[in-house]
Amino acid sequence: LAKTTQPISMDSYEGQEVNITCSHNNIATNDYITWYQQFPSQGPRFIIQGYKTKVTNEVASLFIPADRKSSTLSLPRVSLSDTAVYYCLVGDDYKLSFGAGTTVTVRA
Amino acid sequence: DAMVIQNPRYQVTQFGKPVTLSCSQTLNHNVMYWYQQKSSQAPKLLFHYYDKDFNNEADTPDNFQSRRPNTSFCFLDIRSPGLGDAAMYLCATSRIQGAPQETQYFGPGTRLLVL
Repeated sequence: LAKTTQPISMDSYEGQEVNITCSHNNIATNDYITWYQQFPSQGPRFIIQGYKTKVTNEVASLFIPADRKSSTLSLPRVSLSDTAVYYCLVGDDYKLSFGAGTTVTVRA
Repeated sequence: DAMVIQNPRYQVTQFGKPVTLSCSQTLNHNVMYWYQQKSSQAPKLLFHYYDKDFNNEADTPDNFQSRRPNTSFCFLDIRSPGLGDAAMYLCATSRIQGAPQETQYFGPGTRLLVL
């Protein structure tokens, strides 16, 4: 499983866009990039997954450059309820290997 | 709504006293996972079942066991809990094994306290 590196924490304010970049320099050809969100005292929740270029859903966007050595999760117009830990995972099988994650704190 | 249910949400046990945590799912997924998450740490996979096939992670202590009597239910047994086993235990499910696109669906977790 490819190792990932993300910032430990990020602060933001309501209504702003939050971009979290994850580095995965040794990503393999078959690896996908997946992001999970975890609120305090809850289980992680799938946000988005991609292989290359850009993926968008109702929650977030995922930008993946051509070399795939990094990816950026973009959360548009965050609210207080987006305060959570965000995990970037890279792999090609069913197992999830969670890194340290990024704690995003949204302030009013 | 289809979901992953974990009971109880909070469990207190005594040092060395066996404890069982339960997980049930209404998603009819064939893979079920157990994770351990200690305070301020990421979830760590303990083991998983693909249907009835049990798959243990290499570094999971023998103190941790699991049972899956049917598709819907899975249990985590801690034979002799130590203070270091206090953690949140997360159950998750997914549809099939081996597909990177498959999403894992997590339950709310059971927080275990060992006295």
